[in-house]
Amino acid sequence: EAAVTQSPRNKVTVTGGNVTLSCRQTNSHNYMYWYRQDTGHGLRLIHYSYGAGNLQIGDVPDGYKATRTTQEDFFLLLELASPSQTSLYFCASTAGGSGNTLYFGEGSRLIVV
Amino acid sequence: QQKVQQSPESLIVPEGAMTSLNCTFSDSASQYFAWYRQHSGKAPKALMSIFSNGEKEEGRFTIHLNKASLHFSLHIRDSQPSDSALYLCAVSRGSALGRLHFGAGTQLIVIP
Repeated sequence: EAAVTQSPRNKVTVTGGNVTLSCRQTNSHNYMYWYRQDTGHGLRLIHYSYGAGNLQIGDVPDGYKATRTTQEDFFLLLELASPSQTSLYFCASTAGGSGNTLYFGEGSRLIVV
Repeated sequence: QQKVQQSPESLIVPEGAMTSLNCTFSDSASQYFAWYRQHSGKAPKALMSIFSNGEKEEGRFTIHLNKASLHFSLHIRDSQPSDSALYLCAVSRGSALGRLHFGAGTQLIVIP
């Protein structure tokens, strides 16, 4: 089964703080995604990438930056964290193609106080 | 932008019952339809998917798809307590882009 690892699993920061969430996949997948999950909203796409150096904007990108440094590693950056960014963040990867099965990491819970 | 809506928001059924979960979508060009299951505190995991109109069965799980009605559903036969989870439907245009649009989920509780 595809392996996607996220870190940290839990993070508390203050308003205005700087946070980096990390994701690594070891499945040689080309596509990687960052979602946030909030009650009543399901999974919403923040940013995604087709490969190293590529970055695409998702549906809720405001306040977030992302960087794909290698095929394996995808980072989500919150440079001025706000309480509205308190959420559960999931990274996912897929080989692509019409099958589109996503493999998710275990999630990173972020609390901004 | 694609809108994906699920019903009901939550559902409680007794063990052994048939469970039906619904999903509607707005983009008539959608080509790929999937269900994901998320147990409490865990990552979402793909359950099953379908491309063509009709139904697809895998064990106790069946997907029905009606593209003309912009609707698909998941049916769980002989529901078990281990089926208790958040069920997320997902839709995409099926291209190599892999952009899945998710519904808000249905929380299923199966009572022994």
